Amino acid sequence: AQSVAQPEDQVNVAEGNPLTVKCTYSVSGNPYLFWYVQYPNRGLQFLLKYITGDNLVKGSYGFEAEFNKSQTSFHLKKPSALVSDSALYFCAVRAIWGGATNKLIFGTGTLLAVQP
Amino acid sequence: GAGVSQTPSNKVTEKGKYVELRCDPISGHTALYWYRQSLGQGPEFLIYFQGTGAADDSGLPNDRFFAVRPEGSVSTLKIQRTERGDSAVYLCASSPTSGVYNEQFFGPGTRLTVL
Repeated sequence: AQSVAQPEDQVNVAEGNPLTVKCTYSVSGNPYLFWYVQYPNRGLQFLLKYITGDNLVKGSYGFEAEFNKSQTSFHLKKPSALVSDSALYFCAVRAIWGGATNKLIFGTGTLLAVQP
Repeated sequence: GAGVSQTPSNKVTEKGKYVELRCDPISGHTALYWYRQSLGQGPEFLIYFQGTGAADDSGLPNDRFFAVRPEGSVSTLKIQRTERGDSAVYLCASSPTSGVYNEQFFGPGTRLTVL
C-alpha cells in the first residue's frame, strides 16, 4: 500500500534559523512527491514537486526539498525561517505505476511554528 | 486568474438531511478531484473526474456519497442521509490535464457540520 509519513506533529524554530520538515514515503515504483502548505481557513497551496532529475527541487517562498531514494524521504527545507512561514505543511505522494491513479496520498501534516 | 472556488464555505445541517457541495474548477482544467479533510488529518481522496466521467471513485466511503460533473466543468458532491461522522472540510482541486506530473490546485473548502 502507498503511504506517506510525517513523523513530527509540530516543528518549532526561531526566526532566521534553518528549518526542516520531514517526510518519508512508501510506494511501488517511482514516486511523484509534493509539498503543500495550509494557512488557517484557507485551501492548500502548492509549494514544490519532485518528478525526476535533480534531487534538490526549489519551490515557492524560498522553500526547497531533497529527494532521497535510498532513504525514501522528501524533507522540506528553508535556509532562514520567517514568522510568516508558520502554517500546516503536508507532504503527498502519487505513484506512477503499480496501480497508479491520479489521487494524492497525504501525510497527516506538520505544524510549523516560527518564533520571533 | 481565478482559482478554484467552492460554495458554500460553510454548511450546517441536521442528521439525515441531504446536502450538495459545489466546486468551480479553474477554467480549462479537465481534471477535478474531491478530497475530505477531518480535523487533525491530511486530505483523503474521494473521487476524480477526467472530463465528465468519474475515472476513479474508490475513495467514496459508501453509497450515500455521489458526485457529478455533467458538462466537464462544475462539479457537485452530493451526500444523502447525512451522519455526524460526515462532518469535515470537503476540498475540491483541479489540474490542467490528468497527467500524473501535474500539481493539483485546491479550493478553500466547504466546512460541513452535521448536527
